[in-house]
Amino acid sequence: DADVTQTPRNRITKTGKRIMLECSQTKGHDRMYWYRQDPGLGLRLIYYSFDVKDINKGEISDGYSVSRQAQAKFSLSLESAIPNQTALYFCATSDATRTGSYGYTFGSGTRLTVV
Amino acid sequence: AQSVSQHNHHVILSEAASLELGCNYSYGGTVNLFWYVQYPGQHLQLLLKYFSGDPLVKGIKGFEAEFIKSKFSFNLRKPSVQWSDTAEYFCAVNANSGYSTLTFGKGTMLLVSP
Repeated sequence: DADVTQTPRNRITKTGKRIMLECSQTKGHDRMYWYRQDPGLGLRLIYYSFDVKDINKGEISDGYSVSRQAQAKFSLSLESAIPNQTALYFCATSDATRTGSYGYTFGSGTRLTVV
Repeated sequence: AQSVSQHNHHVILSEAASLELGCNYSYGGTVNLFWYVQYPGQHLQLLLKYFSGDPLVKGIKGFEAEFIKSKFSFNLRKPSVQWSDTAEYFCAVNANSGYSTLTFGKGTMLLVSP
């Protein structure tokens, strides 16, 4: 099984619908992150959580919300999806004490299309 | 806050050519530096990292990078590329503060022709 699992892998949804992307990890890491990837823009941070009770906005949090249900689970919600939220979404984790030494571990991504 | 600039958006090389991808960062303090690779249709994988010590770091698949603090640079190199190196490459940085997040450059798409 993958260390960081994202579901669904692909999703097509309609404008205005609420959608949740889920992420679970078996790394035992404290920290979890949501990024979106757009062609030519790289990865941009949406939200991050350093532990279960900690939630922080990233660079592009408008239109998104998150929930850290447990140390191993971090979900991203689009309350009312719009077409410019069409992107590839990545969840990542890191160890609180070794973020610098080991970097992040990424999930396989969720390709979201909003029509 | 830190930022990362990658010099080239697209690079096209023939097999066996040498590769150098530029990366510069902006941050006033101590940083950790990374190169990630994303093969077509896949997620990001760590290629190499620098957090202290020898500024010349070696990664997987024959890649290396050199941290030049005075130039705020962390360029990625490979002496001889292969067709299988076709991928997108991302430079990333975080401040060595314990509470910093990873900031990515916009990526460089490398196409290696056989």
